[in-house]
Amino acid sequence: ILNVEQSPQSLHVQEGDSTNFTCSFPSSNFYALHWYRWETAKSPEALFVMTLNGDEKKKGRISATLNTKEGYSYLYIKGSQPEDSATYLCAYGPNDYKLSFGAGTTVTVRA
Amino acid sequence: GAVVSQHPSRVICKSGTSVKIECRSLDFQATTMFWYRQFPKQSLMLMATSNEGSKATYEQGVEKDKFLINHASLTLSTLTVTSAHPEDSSFYICSARGTLGEVGYTFGSGTRLTVV
Repeated sequence: ILNVEQSPQSLHVQEGDSTNFTCSFPSSNFYALHWYRWETAKSPEALFVMTLNGDEKKKGRISATLNTKEGYSYLYIKGSQPEDSATYLCAYGPNDYKLSFGAGTTVTVRA
Repeated sequence: GAVVSQHPSRVICKSGTSVKIECRSLDFQATTMFWYRQFPKQSLMLMATSNEGSKATYEQGVEKDKFLINHASLTLSTLTVTSAHPEDSSFYICSARGTLGEVGYTFGSGTRLTVV
């Protein structure tokens, strides 16, 4: 079992504020780091797949960074909106096949 | 984009009975389907990997005779929980790699199994 940790487990953010949270993973045998957004009663939706150290990806107000040498990734939400409320999962892959998931960070945006 | 349809979304069954969960890939062919289980407050744990036309590969600690996986076509994979017990109550979810250039994996919406 590959240890993938996400912190914090949950957070509340005021609408309009920005927030970020972390995913830590083994720094050895790295192939890819995935981020998913999972809204209640829906399917997890892929946000990013990151493979290169120092990589930054952006989708609208959400962005992510990757540090493979130290084994962490940050996800940022800028100007949080109620529709950003979801659980954000990261998943580490030592190859292009299996993924090990963190337990997620649940974000609640307060209007 | 790619969609995986998973049914049922919720099921309650009596202890000792079997339950089948289906995952269908819509608009794409899923040669490989991954089956995960999630207990409360925990992460998704990979149970097995099913490949179309061949036997599934089970993760360590997952009983293959209890969790039967069938992937008889490129668009359908099923997980059958046999002789279910209350400790099998959990959230089960499947995922597949799309073939339309999507980012990441495409997930079903999950099945909440309660064994009473």
